[in-house]
Amino acid sequence: AQSVAQPEDQVNVAEGNPLTVKCTYSVSGNPYLFWYVQYPNRGLQFLLKYITGDNLVKGSYGFEAEFNKSQTSFHLKKPSALVSDSALYFCAVRDLRGRSSASKIIFGSGTRLSIRP
Amino acid sequence: GAVVSQHPSWVICKSGTSVKIECRSLDFQATTMFWYRQFPKQSLMLMATSNEGSKATYEQGVEKDKFLINHASLTLSTLTVTSAHPEDSSFYICSAGTSGRGSGEQFFGPGTRLTVL
Repeated sequence: AQSVAQPEDQVNVAEGNPLTVKCTYSVSGNPYLFWYVQYPNRGLQFLLKYITGDNLVKGSYGFEAEFNKSQTSFHLKKPSALVSDSALYFCAVRDLRGRSSASKIIFGSGTRLSIRP
Repeated sequence: GAVVSQHPSWVICKSGTSVKIECRSLDFQATTMFWYRQFPKQSLMLMATSNEGSKATYEQGVEKDKFLINHASLTLSTLTVTSAHPEDSSFYICSAGTSGRGSGEQFFGPGTRLTVL
């Protein structure tokens, strides 16, 4: 069964410091991996995705994520956090077996990122 | 590109009434649309998958007679919450995707907050 785990409910970081939001996954077959961000009362905004290729993926707003197949992880990172990065972050996975968009996306439980000035 | 809209953005209704939520892909044709619900401080839970011109596929535990989904065109899907009750109060988010767009990425709407009194 497909699953995504975000072990941290909340991550607190001082502005200017690097941040990491953790995600591990479990799927059958090769995964498509995503990170989304959600601001209060808003829908999800796409940050980045991994399909194949380089393990380090660069995305929006200076975020990047590192795909690690041996550890089945896809941690989200940013070298220098901003207060405006404070939001709810979701890791998600989609099974590559379905080439169409009809394949399900499984979301993690979410991690609330709080950046203090 | 790849903009998905939802209408209304928020709605308050009395218990026992029905509420319709629209999801539109504004600049692309969506062969598949997904409906999610999100309770406060929780992750997104997939309710159903709808393909244009066919019946929706509901996730286990989701009542298809209560949550009516119609995907009448490639740019519009609707979710009708019938005989709404307070426990149906939630944040409903749709996403749209198309098999022709490379990785089959899904694009999310801004969400609709439903409050049932």
